[in-house]
Amino acid sequence: SQQGEEDPQALSIQEGENATMNCSYKTSINNLQWYRQNSGRGLVHLILIRSNEREKHSGRLRVTLDTSKKSSSLLITASRAADTASYFCATDAGGSSNTGKLIFGQGTTLQVKP
Amino acid sequence: DADVTQTPRNRITKTGKRIMLECSQTKGHDRMYWYRQDPGLGLRLIYYSFDVKDINKGEISDGYSVSRQAQAKFSLSLESAIPNQTALYFCATSENGQGFRQPQHFGDGTRLFIL
Repeated sequence: SQQGEEDPQALSIQEGENATMNCSYKTSINNLQWYRQNSGRGLVHLILIRSNEREKHSGRLRVTLDTSKKSSSLLITASRAADTASYFCATDAGGSSNTGKLIFGQGTTLQVKP
Repeated sequence: DADVTQTPRNRITKTGKRIMLECSQTKGHDRMYWYRQDPGLGLRLIYYSFDVKDINKGEISDGYSVSRQAQAKFSLSLESAIPNQTALYFCATSENGQGFRQPQHFGDGTRLFIL
């Protein structure tokens, strides 16, 4: 069963604009991760935020987590054409589970126009 | 060289054929995973393995089997392929220790088409 649902499914912006993607999940988690997938390639890990963290930054990426609303957002600032990709959130099973299993959302497809 | 290598990259085959997809890694990770990706459905876990002797079913294991031949190698088999197994298949690895805090590292996928 799907844990994460992402919104919007597709997003098209101009280079230089900011892009915001949202992820909602259903059960308690230990952490939430964001991945990027370029066309025809595997997923690449971007950032991990723990359940006791509210915000995390990495370069032009900013991730927020609201465990009370079971939601997260990924903000890409000053977007570039090279940011064109699909972005996925992934959550673990929560609790004391240490399986490393991730549950992925359906993804947001981002197009950045030059 | 890629840290996680999947072969073949593309495969077209017929219904009823046995197919093996292979994954090898040079990252030295103990944990390995097989996913399939379908449009609009994200990634779904087929099987995962914590080490050579520990293999577990994922969300959608029916119709699939796996073999962990060594720490570095994890193969996925379709014993008798059917058209709804047409998908993009990914192998991934992660480190041991507090598994839920470890990022996963993906290969570039095998695109499988079953006629």
